[in-house]
Amino acid sequence: SQTIHQWPATLVQPVGSPLSLECTVEGTSNPNLYWYRQAAGRGLQLLFYSVGIGQISSEVPQNLSASRPQDRQFILSSKKLLLSDSGFYLCAWGPSFTRLSSTDTQYFGPGTRLTVL
Amino acid sequence: AQSVAQPEDQVNVAEGNPLTVKCTYSVSGNPYLFWYVQYPNRGLQFLLKYITGDNLVKGSYGFEAEFNKSQTSFHLKKPSALVSDSALYFCAVRVFSGNTPLVFGKGTRLSVIA
Repeated sequence: SQTIHQWPATLVQPVGSPLSLECTVEGTSNPNLYWYRQAAGRGLQLLFYSVGIGQISSEVPQNLSASRPQDRQFILSSKKLLLSDSGFYLCAWGPSFTRLSSTDTQYFGPGTRLTVL
Repeated sequence: AQSVAQPEDQVNVAEGNPLTVKCTYSVSGNPYLFWYVQYPNRGLQFLLKYITGDNLVKGSYGFEAEFNKSQTSFHLKKPSALVSDSALYFCAVRVFSGNTPLVFGKGTRLSVIA
């Protein structure tokens, strides 16, 4: 069965410091990978998604970047954190896109709670 | 463009009563619809999805959802609510194009009162 891991679970960082959040998936190959941010326990904002190694689509221009150095690894980074980067960051995976993959479910990791002070 | 609306920020229901969490969608093609639940400080858990066929879809934890094409709705229901059902619920949609992430609603917080 497939599992998705995120770490760290919680993180407190000062403004202006760098960030690196990691997400890995086990039990599948060539997954689509997604980063979401959830502010104040409400709606989800899609930040990035990737259909393959080195392929990143950015949904919202901001202070963050994403990379996919390996097939099942997805990293969210920032060079200098802002207060507004605080939130709950969720990684998700789904089966690779095919003609019929519109019916596929996305599966979420446990999340990372980031607080920027 | 595809979108999902969850018109209620908060739904309160007494334990043992039926519950409904509303979702309406707007898409240009055939929709594929999903419901997820999120407990505090956790990731989203998949509950159920509608692809095709029977308009009533049954999912995890006793939840079901009814697809209504004429009303463009996909409301989540449960015949008898439990206190443990209290959580944040998200509706999501994707159209038949394959190469797009799910589009999520803003979420509805369900509180079941003992």
